[in-house]
Amino acid sequence: DGGITQSPKYLFRKEGQNVTLSCEQNLNHDAMYWYRQDPGQGLRLIYYSQIVNDFQKGDIAEGYSVSREKKESFPLTVTSAQKNPTAFYLCASSTGQGRPYEQYFGPGTRLTVT
Amino acid sequence: GIQVEQSPPDLILQEGANSTLRCNFSDSVNNLQWFHQNPWGQLINLFYIPSGTKQNGRLSATTVATERYSLLYISSSQTTDSGVYFCAVGVRGFGNEKLTFGTGTRLTIIP
Repeated sequence: DGGITQSPKYLFRKEGQNVTLSCEQNLNHDAMYWYRQDPGQGLRLIYYSQIVNDFQKGDIAEGYSVSREKKESFPLTVTSAQKNPTAFYLCASSTGQGRPYEQYFGPGTRLTVT
Repeated sequence: GIQVEQSPPDLILQEGANSTLRCNFSDSVNNLQWFHQNPWGQLINLFYIPSGTKQNGRLSATTVATERYSLLYISSSQTTDSGVYFCAVGVRGFGNEKLTFGTGTRLTIIP
């Protein structure tokens, strides 16, 4: 089945540790995105990538890093510099064909940092 | 940047009732999507509707781009319709547009 997978579903880390969240898609989509959601809020864009080996900062990129070495994969690293890392993280992808801008989302990763 | 406002923030209805959710945005857009976030957090695509009207079963949506708003209609509500509904818009000029989300409407359907 085609889709977007994120792992793990739940992640617990100690303060001061970096952590990497996985996002994989087999939809052959060109663009991929990372969003953060805090309780009772909408989603905010962290980073996005329109093509392999290229990515752009979103609205809240500080304390995060990404890579895009393969079309299918867009991992997000939450670094120790991120002041409030506990949140729900969602990955999305979109294609440039047909409906160029419609985004589809993965199931998300809930990160808790204590 | 573009502002997205959704109303009402909360809505509680009896099963079988109809509802209208509204999304206002502050600038011209070339992407507008409606999502339903289920209790597990999954965002489910409802409509891709930068303009015009679409229907899918009990749900329909209308976007009036010139007046900068979109409406989501849910008819004959069921308990499974409960959750948070998000409107998200994309602005021309970024290629594969990034989306700006509203803060959502929390819908609760009572049996």
